[in-house]
Amino acid sequence: DVKVTQSSRYLVKRTGEKVFLECVQDMDHENMFWYRQDPGLGLRLIYFSYDVKMKEKGDIPEGYSVSREKKERFSLILESASTNQTSMYLCASSDGTSGLNLAYEQYFGPGTRLTVT
Amino acid sequence: RKEVEQDPGPFNVPEGATVAFNCTYSNSASQSFFWYRQDCRKEPKLLMSVYSSGNEDGRFTAQLNRASQYISLLIRDSKLSDSATYLCVVNGAGGFKTIFGAGTRLFVKA
Repeated sequence: DVKVTQSSRYLVKRTGEKVFLECVQDMDHENMFWYRQDPGLGLRLIYFSYDVKMKEKGDIPEGYSVSREKKERFSLILESASTNQTSMYLCASSDGTSGLNLAYEQYFGPGTRLTVT
Repeated sequence: RKEVEQDPGPFNVPEGATVAFNCTYSNSASQSFFWYRQDCRKEPKLLMSVYSSGNEDGRFTAQLNRASQYISLLIRDSKLSDSATYLCVVNGAGGFKTIFGAGTRLFVKA
């Protein structure tokens, strides 16, 4: 079974703090994704990575950065957390031997509910 | 206009009913289509891919209409365990971008 794990289920941070969300997958997938999910808006793509040290902006990258130093690990960084970044953050991974072809099933982690006060 | 639109529902149906959801997409160059299921407070999981010829998996049937740019999901003989949010997912041209719909909420009642 594919397993995607995220470092925390719940996280509470203060405005201005630097926040690290970690994601690890155990299936040797090339592609990894970070989404946030908000009521009525669905999942919105923040960043994705199709290879180690490679990253691409998604739809809402502002206020976020990412790091992929190892194939199995994809980190999301909030440089200076703000209250509008309170959300559910979901990490996903997928196979994709063609590099940029992302049309494969995505496997999600359990999510991190981040509250910024 | 949103790139992927779904009726948010909720759909409240009795057990045994047949229910159908539609999802429209705006990019005519979209190539891959999926339905995901998300249970309350859980992560999304793939329910089924949607092929041009349509596909069926037990009580679930998915269809694609490229001319009208929508995909559909039909659930026959609804079970209590079908209660969930169903997410429509569309991959853009070249598969470079994945777009999730906001989801349709289904409640199946005894």
